[in-house]
Amino acid sequence: GQQLNQSPQSMFIQEGEDVSMNCTSSSIFNTWLWYKQDPGEGPVLLIALYKAGELTSNGRLTAQFGITRKDSFLNISASIPSDVGIYFCAGLSLLSYNTDKLIFGTGTRLQVFP
Amino acid sequence: DGGITQSPKYLFRKEGQNVTLSCEQNLNHDAMYWYRQDPGQGLRLIYYSQIVNDFQKGDIAEGYSVSREKKESFPLTVTSAQKNPTAFYLCASHHGGAGAKNIQYFGAGTRLSVL
Repeated sequence: GQQLNQSPQSMFIQEGEDVSMNCTSSSIFNTWLWYKQDPGEGPVLLIALYKAGELTSNGRLTAQFGITRKDSFLNISASIPSDVGIYFCAGLSLLSYNTDKLIFGTGTRLQVFP
Repeated sequence: DGGITQSPKYLFRKEGQNVTLSCEQNLNHDAMYWYRQDPGQGLRLIYYSQIVNDFQKGDIAEGYSVSREKKESFPLTVTSAQKNPTAFYLCASHHGGAGAKNIQYFGAGTRLSVL
């Protein structure tokens, strides 16, 4: 099955630093979602994007739906220890619209050091 | 509280044994999904169901079976035909229909290990 290219695979940063990660696809998407997964738990939705160019914030998190509709990025500003976890992008392509089948990125593992 | 409940949290399977993972939701969602998560591979779709009494194979359905007899329940059976069942299994649900915003909500997962 198709998976999105998500990068970087992992990040090790110091508390207070900003973080940026992105997802790219070879096909056009009409929905981009960003989830965070804590160890041993299920993913929790952070931000949902539905229009090309859309920029949405949720506290220290900001995500954008790329103009080409083939990419999205997530920024975290002023990281704190509880930001630790795995961040996944997920998207719904036009080809899968009638099945509601999301395609997931491989995840970015974030580690924050005090 | 509304949500998705997966049980058990941890499950052990002996060789040749079938095991069933439970997923229950009280969100009145139409669609339900089962994913398998292995380290470094993201989430892979096993089965999904958009309405009661109907389900479709995902990308890695071999060795698994499901049923959808009730709207709120979507159990997954890992059969003995699944030779590498050790993984973290996630259940999700989605409201479905026009205007549903395509958001899937996840349970807390079941970790399956082979004895």
